[in-house]
Amino acid sequence: DAMVIQNPRYQVTQFGKPVTLSCSQTLNHNVMYWYQQKSSQAPKLLFHYYDKDFNNEADTPDNFQSRRPNTSFCFLDIRSPGLGDAAMYLCATSSVAGETQYFGPGTRLLVL
Amino acid sequence: SQQGEEDPQALSIQEGENATMNCSYKTSINNLQWYRQNSGRGLVHLILIRSNEREKHSGRLRVTLDTSKKSSSLLITASRAADTASYFCATESNFGNEKLTFGTGTRLTIIP
Repeated sequence: DAMVIQNPRYQVTQFGKPVTLSCSQTLNHNVMYWYQQKSSQAPKLLFHYYDKDFNNEADTPDNFQSRRPNTSFCFLDIRSPGLGDAAMYLCATSSVAGETQYFGPGTRLLVL
Repeated sequence: SQQGEEDPQALSIQEGENATMNCSYKTSINNLQWYRQNSGRGLVHLILIRSNEREKHSGRLRVTLDTSKKSSSLLITASRAADTASYFCATESNFGNEKLTFGTGTRLTIIP
């Protein structure tokens, strides 16, 4: 089945230790999104790719970076995680920007 | 903030009753979407309604859109225990910026 896969499902890291979250898709969608979602809050868009074009949200901290080496994969790098970065990180794809998004199950990040 | 507001924040009803959730937004839109999120999981797309549509149905779901009031409602009829989840509206503005802005969400609990 076509899907969006996120690994790992749970990630524990130490304060200040770089961490990478991964997302892959078998939908062959042009657009990929990364969201941060804290408890009982709405998903907050960090950035998105339209093909290889990277679009950063104005309020996304510099601590967050992303790579999209090919259509199928996208990575979220957190260079120096702080306690406030503990959250669920959601990856989503879309065949047409602004239309239906397909979400992965998310990676829950815990920062110790 | 462009974020939409959802009302109520939380709703508890008996199984079999109908559930209605409302969403208000701030900017002119191309489309409005509703998503469901089960606890600790990714979001699942439910329905998309375009700015030139007023009502849309999908199974037990009915969505209305009033662009003059910048509001939408989601009706779930004959609720089931499995409908227990958080429901988010999301809008694509007509600025053509390729992204969705999510509302604050309604936490729906169906009591068996």
